[in-house]
Amino acid sequence: DIQMTQSPSTLSASVGDRVTITCRASQSISSWLAWYQQKPGKAPKLLIYKASSLESGVPSRFSGSGSGTEFTLTISSLQPDDFATYYCQQYNSYLTFGGGTKVEIK
Amino acid sequence: EVQLLESGGGLVQPGGSLRLSCAASGFTFSSYAMSWVRQAPGKGLEWVSAISGSGGSTYYADSVKGRFTISRDNSKNTLYLQMNSLRAEDTAVYYCAKDRAYCGGDCPSTYFDYWGQGTLVTVSS
Repeated sequence: DIQMTQSPSTLSASVGDRVTITCRASQSISSWLAWYQQKPGKAPKLLIYKASSLESGVPSRFSGSGSGTEFTLTISSLQPDDFATYYCQQYNSYLTFGGGTKVEIK
Repeated sequence: EVQLLESGGGLVQPGGSLRLSCAASGFTFSSYAMSWVRQAPGKGLEWVSAISGSGGSTYYADSVKGRFTISRDNSKNTLYLQMNSLRAEDTAVYYCAKDRAYCGGDCPSTYFDYWGQGTLVTVSS
C-alpha cells in the first residue's frame, strides 16, 4: 500500500503570507496526486489534480508541483477564506489520503 | 447541477449491519466511477471503497475488505454501501464522492470533484 505523509500537520500563518504544504509518497506515484481543502463540517473541495492542474473555479493563488514521491501545495498570498485543512490524495494505486495540514490564523 | 445525497446512517451496535445509499443527479451516473470516503470524528479522510461506472469492478481498503460491499444501480442513479460486522472504529461521517474523470467502462477511481454532505454512522453499544 502507498502511504502519504503530509507536513506540517499544523501551520500558523497570517493573511498575505506565502504558505507551502508538503506531501510525500512512500513510493513513486508519477503525477497522480490531488489536493483538497476542507472546512469544518463541510465536504472536501478539489483544488488541484494531476499534481499541478488547477481545478476550474479555484483561485490562481493555489498551485501544485512535484512528481514521483514529493509534492507541494502553495498558496501564494493567504486569504481569510483559506484557513482550513488541506489533504493530498494519491490515485496511482488504489486511493490514499495524507493525514492533513491545518492552516490556522497566527 | 450535480447533487449527491447520502442516507442510511445512524446508531448501530458492534457486530451489526447498515446500508448507506447515495442518490445522484445532474450528471450521467453510469459514466463515472464512484467512491465512499469516511472521516472519523476529529480525524482525517480515509478512502473506503470504489466502484467503476459499469459496476463491473470494485475496490476496497484493507480496513473494510470482507465486511463492506459497494454496489450501484445505474437505473436508479444510486450508489450503495452495505456494511456488516461493524466495529467501533467504523464510526465516522461517510461521504459518497464522484470521480472527476469521465469513463464509459471499467475505469478505476481517481480523484473527486463532487461530494455529498455526508451521513454519520455511529457504532456503539
